[in-house]
Amino acid sequence: DAGVIQSPRHEVTEMGQEVTLRCKPISGHDYLFWYRQTMMRGLELLIYFNNNVPIDDSGMPEDRFSAKMPNASFSTLKIQPSEPRDSAVYFCASSLVAGGPTGELFFGEGSRLTVL
Amino acid sequence: AQRVTQPEKLLSVFKGAPVELKCNYSYSGSPELFWYVQYSRQRLQLLLRHISRESIKGFTADLNKGETSFHLKKPFAQEEDSAMYYCALIRGSTLGRLYFGRGTQLTVWP
Repeated sequence: DAGVIQSPRHEVTEMGQEVTLRCKPISGHDYLFWYRQTMMRGLELLIYFNNNVPIDDSGMPEDRFSAKMPNASFSTLKIQPSEPRDSAVYFCASSLVAGGPTGELFFGEGSRLTVL
Repeated sequence: AQRVTQPEKLLSVFKGAPVELKCNYSYSGSPELFWYVQYSRQRLQLLLRHISRESIKGFTADLNKGETSFHLKKPFAQEEDSAMYYCALIRGSTLGRLYFGRGTQLTVWP
């Protein structure tokens, strides 16, 4: 397995444009997480899914952000309209289980977003 | 509410010196704690979990419930240990999620 696959790796866009980030989790993993990493705030959980159903989206900053998981092998994180403060690295991670002492998240390589 | 605090954003040591990356947590229940590491140009990955009581790449971490700490230690740092380290906590329930600290950037000088 190639691990969690994210695209694009880098995205540069202008303020007001729509941004769509994509993620393919590891096959067989029931949980999918979207994180945002910034220098100021570190790693923040935005939303996570279990069996394609959003469980907790309390970390989503505002209505400009939306995430979907139409099937077990694909998820998107969309920002519309984008703003300069959205510039960050967005990580997708998947897990076989979401908790417990053996829980381990497998991260993608991240999508670096720059909004000008 | 649960919180993970890593007081040092940056930490520098010389090769061969001992290193300790601090992590404190606040959680009223029984937490499960982890250390994740991100080497340059690599994915964030699990380093160790407290439940396993393991030593990985020479690193160990002991859960101290009295001090609510889970510091990461290595007696002799190596240059290849230079990376970003994140302490993370998960609630005891199986349907929790990982709460990360803000991370500590470790630099090991030759």
